[in-house]
Amino acid sequence: DADVTQTPRNRITKTGKRIMLECSQTKGHDRMYWYRQDPGLGLRLIYYSFDVKDINKGEISDGYSVSRQAQAKFSLSLESAIPNQTALYFCATSDPGTAYEQYFGPGTRLTVT
Amino acid sequence: SQQGEEDPQALSIQEGENATMNCSYKTSINNLQWYRQNSGRGLVHLILIRSNEREKHSGRLRVTLDTSKKSSSLLITASRAADTASYFCASYNQGGKLIFGQGTELSVKP
Repeated sequence: DADVTQTPRNRITKTGKRIMLECSQTKGHDRMYWYRQDPGLGLRLIYYSFDVKDINKGEISDGYSVSRQAQAKFSLSLESAIPNQTALYFCATSDPGTAYEQYFGPGTRLTVT
Repeated sequence: SQQGEEDPQALSIQEGENATMNCSYKTSINNLQWYRQNSGRGLVHLILIRSNEREKHSGRLRVTLDTSKKSSSLLITASRAADTASYFCASYNQGGKLIFGQGTELSVKP
C-alpha cells in the first residue's frame, strides 16, 4: 500500500463550488504539505503543517484553506473554486530525522470549469 | 519566488547517452535534493547532497555541488528509456520551506 494517498485522483468541478482534497499518510511523519503544480512553474507550496496544532501559509495560500485532522490526515479545501485553480495538487510528508526528504502522494488532477 | 533555477528546461537524448541537468540556487543551503517526476505522477526523491559535500553517487546518478557558485548538477549515465521524466532540484529556504526549481524535462529515445 502507498505511504501517502490522495483522494480523489481526478476531479472536475464548476466555478463557485466548494471542494475538498484529502491526504492520508502511514509514514508516521509529523510534517505535511500541500503543493500545486502548473506547467512550467514547478511546485509551489500552498500550506504546510509541522504538527497537528501547527498550520502555516505557504507561497500561494489565497483561495485555499486546510485542516489537520490528525497526524495522518491533512485536507485542502477550495471554498469557492475558480478556473485558475485548475492544476495538479500534491500532498507530501517529511520527517526531520531524514534530513527533510519529502515523500509525495500520487497527486489530484483538479479541473475547474 | 523560486530557490532553484534549472537548465536546460528540456533535454532529448538517445538511450545509452549521458544526461546532465544543472540547477542554480539563490541563498545558502544546508543540503540540496533532486527529485524525479514521471508524467503526471508524484515526485520521488532521488538523492540528497549536503553543503559540505562536493560529489555524491547513487547507482547511475552523480550529483555535484559547488557552493561558491550556488550550483548543482545531476548526471545520469547510460540513460534508459525509463529515465524519461522531469527532474527537479530543491532546497530549503531560511523559512524552512522546500523550494523547487522549474524542472528539466528529459526524454530518452530508444
